[in-house]
Amino acid sequence: ETGVTQTPRHLVMGMTNKKSLKCEQHLGHNAMYWYKQSAKKPLELMFVYSLEERVENNSVPSRFSPECPNSSHLFLHLHTLQPEDSALYLCASSQDRLGNEQFFGPGTRLTVL
Amino acid sequence: KQEVTQIPAALSVPEGENLVLNCSFTDSAIYNLQWFRQDPGKGLTSLLLIQSSQREQTSGRLNASLDKSSGRSTLYIAASQPGDSATYLCAVRGGNKLTFGTGTQLKVEL
Repeated sequence: ETGVTQTPRHLVMGMTNKKSLKCEQHLGHNAMYWYKQSAKKPLELMFVYSLEERVENNSVPSRFSPECPNSSHLFLHLHTLQPEDSALYLCASSQDRLGNEQFFGPGTRLTVL
Repeated sequence: KQEVTQIPAALSVPEGENLVLNCSFTDSAIYNLQWFRQDPGKGLTSLLLIQSSQREQTSGRLNASLDKSSGRSTLYIAASQPGDSATYLCAVRGGNKLTFGTGTQLKVEL
């Protein structure tokens, strides 16, 4: 256990559905991250939050909408996704966003039909 | 733009062997380098973190080295075991961002 939990662990959705991924960290960290891991590709950073404020958005399509209500919780809201969005979505946290070790959750395996 | 390369992409060794995984990166202006392990379908487990001012870090049977000027890191695994089978990822930290390699898939056979 890394102290970072994600729910659900698996999700299958149609292209017209709306769903949300949840991440919670129990480490007292101030920074949280969403990553996407597609087959045969390196992990791609999607969003960075520091003290509940979004500090980075790596050109992610608007069909992915993050939300960080407090420093312990991070959501990724999904709507009108495409089949190519199927991937493992990983959440991570670190003490702050400057050079500290990142701890990852187990991921949500998303399949878009 | 930072690029991270890991060689080999896959490796199969008999139990008990010592082995070396390689990671190279193109931009030496990094804060740190982190090695992770990922089991199939699972998240990442942090193994070792080397700050840019450090040369190496050790944890149990694992030793990671960093040569920032040449843009290289190695992960040394001593006396490999079947439980070491996993994908090993290296990632370099520059600014807000961790840039990952595509990993080395390791299989340790009985």
